Amino acid sequence: QKEVEQNSGPLSVPEGAIASLNCTYSDRVSQSFFWYRQYSGKSPELIMSIYSNGDKEDGRFTAQLNKASQYVSLLIRDSQPSDSATYLCAVKSDSWGKLQFGAGTQVVVTP
Amino acid sequence: EPEVTQTPSHQVTQMGQEVILRCVPISNHLYFYWYRQILGQKVEFLVSFYNNEISEKSEIFDDQFSVERPDGSNFTLKIRSTKLEDSAMYFCASSDQGITDTQYFGPGTRLTVL
Repeated sequence: QKEVEQNSGPLSVPEGAIASLNCTYSDRVSQSFFWYRQYSGKSPELIMSIYSNGDKEDGRFTAQLNKASQYVSLLIRDSQPSDSATYLCAVKSDSWGKLQFGAGTQVVVTP
Repeated sequence: EPEVTQTPSHQVTQMGQEVILRCVPISNHLYFYWYRQILGQKVEFLVSFYNNEISEKSEIFDDQFSVERPDGSNFTLKIRSTKLEDSAMYFCASSDQGITDTQYFGPGTRLTVL
């Protein structure tokens, strides 16, 4: 059974601090990795995609991938109350592009 | 910015009734997907569709489910005889490549089966 695991949270972060989210996956042939943000009752919204080992930065977000450890993370710098949401890690393993999602980590940014 | 649209936003139906959920993918995209999310649970893959046929389906996607691209813009999910456990948010997604490109999600249809 291929799994994508995330800490469910909630992760409480003071405004302006760094939020650190982690995700592990079980399928070694996974090729593509995505972080989506989901507000309550809304659809997943893409934040970042990452395909190669290392870091990828986009604004206040940094994704980190370590395929040897089967680990992907997301850092949110200068956290804002609007960042309060559930963050979904998604992994794509096969050529037809099915996404496998983790259960999500709820982030709460406190003013 | 192009986006995936879905209708209706909320569908209420009686158990045993047929429902059709509609999606308009982003216009130049070639790969289409349906996912569902039961309240409080993770997003689950249902089916992927490319070149007018199903490319992959999950165990959830049994004979009660079907998908269709009836014209050049719409992509539909039909549930033939709804069950209480079909109550969920149903998300349509599309991408323009199957291998590494991003899937963009529609706003979802909340299906409530009574």
